[in-house]
Amino acid sequence: QVQLQESGPGLVKSSETLSLTCTVSNGSIGSYYWNWVRQPPGKGLEWIGFVYYTGTTVYNPSLKSRVTISVDRSKNQFSLRLTSLTAADTAVYFCARERVTKGFDTWGQGAQVTVSS
Amino acid sequence: DIQLTQSPSFLSASVGDRVTITCRTSQVINNYLAWYQQQPRKAPKLVIYAASTLQSGVPSRFSGSGSGTEFTLTISGLQPEDFATYYCQQLNIYPWTFGQGTKVEIK
Repeated sequence: QVQLQESGPGLVKSSETLSLTCTVSNGSIGSYYWNWVRQPPGKGLEWIGFVYYTGTTVYNPSLKSRVTISVDRSKNQFSLRLTSLTAADTAVYFCARERVTKGFDTWGQGAQVTVSS
Repeated sequence: DIQLTQSPSFLSASVGDRVTITCRTSQVINNYLAWYQQQPRKAPKLVIYAASTLQSGVPSRFSGSGSGTEFTLTISGLQPEDFATYYCQQLNIYPWTFGQGTKVEIK
């Protein structure tokens, strides 16, 4: 079955840019929506946005000015870029596959990202 | 944004109990509602989608119902592995939003 794995730095500095990659294995990146979700320590889930395999994106307006999500079909990967980091961006970042209107059926294990000053 | 309010935020129950969690949405969402279970330090797991459809592989003691702006997740016969935090999510209008979570703990 399809598996997702996040990769990227665990510690980034305030005001810098976070880059995370999600690798899709045992399945194709085609025909699904690929999402990023984050969870600050001890808090709930926040949807960041998604990229469709064609490259179409939709972002959460609360983060839209700082977020870019892209897809690389040749590598079966999609990526998150978040700029101008602050301590409020410290969270576990999950990548997840979405079937349209049917929820996020596959998740990565999560990547802890800490923003330091 | 569509707001999702779960109740209760915390509940204490025993193995074998029947528990119900409610999710109220600030707008009608056409049943595009999902429920997730999250164990500590783990990724969420999809339990129910389209308000009442059981995700493949999820035990039948889980069920979902509701329409309009009020939805429920019921666990009939709570098992030790069901003690977790549950989140609802709407997938009708962007941005997708989640409820604040309901933590189910052992009494």
